[in-house]
Amino acid sequence: DPKIIQKPKYLVAVTGSEKILICEQYLGHNAMYWYRQSAKKPLEFMFSYSYQKLMDNQTASSRFQPQSSKKNHLDLQITALKPDDSATYFCASSQEGTGAETLYFGSGTRLTVL
Amino acid sequence: GDSVTQTEGPVTVSESESLIINCTYSATSIAYPNLFWYVRYPGEGLQLLLKVITAGQKGSSRGFEATYNKETTSFHLQKASVQESDSAVYYCALGRGSALGRLHFGAGTQLIVIP
Repeated sequence: DPKIIQKPKYLVAVTGSEKILICEQYLGHNAMYWYRQSAKKPLEFMFSYSYQKLMDNQTASSRFQPQSSKKNHLDLQITALKPDDSATYFCASSQEGTGAETLYFGSGTRLTVL
Repeated sequence: GDSVTQTEGPVTVSESESLIINCTYSATSIAYPNLFWYVRYPGEGLQLLLKVITAGQKGSSRGFEATYNKETTSFHLQKASVQESDSAVYYCALGRGSALGRLHFGAGTQLIVIP
């Protein structure tokens, strides 16, 4: 069974709309992350959370807002969607400390903005 | 900033042949970064394949090997004999050994193994 669940797997949106990407992890980790991969580009770090608090934000735009309602949830709200936001978004988790860089990833949400 | 460059895919190899996927890194913020290979099988999330945190050391897993070469700033992934089940996307990554898992990844290399 997958330990990190991302929903939906595929998402199509129109320019200017708003979407929420869902992520839940069942590994008992205290740190969660969002990464993004656009076509032909490297996987790019977006956010890190520890104990439901934002620790690092490398996203230039405020249109991307993580939301952590529970300690094993880290959703990603994207507003005013643009075609350039089209990418696969990966949620990940790890245990803060010495194991922090052993990331466990979900299978991703592929977002297409028309 | 830190960056990782790896072989552009897809890479197509026949079963039982050898494989090398090149990875070079640039680490401007740390002298000795931690280096990783992650793999993504079809329909799954990325998972750690191997990691090396000491320059000069070799990591291995599932028949794959990679040696941390500080002189050439490289961390190439090798396997002597690939199997069809190795077909996947392989990602080289660099970390700074911080408490939280912010990694710099390459673009990924798709490996196709032909039976």
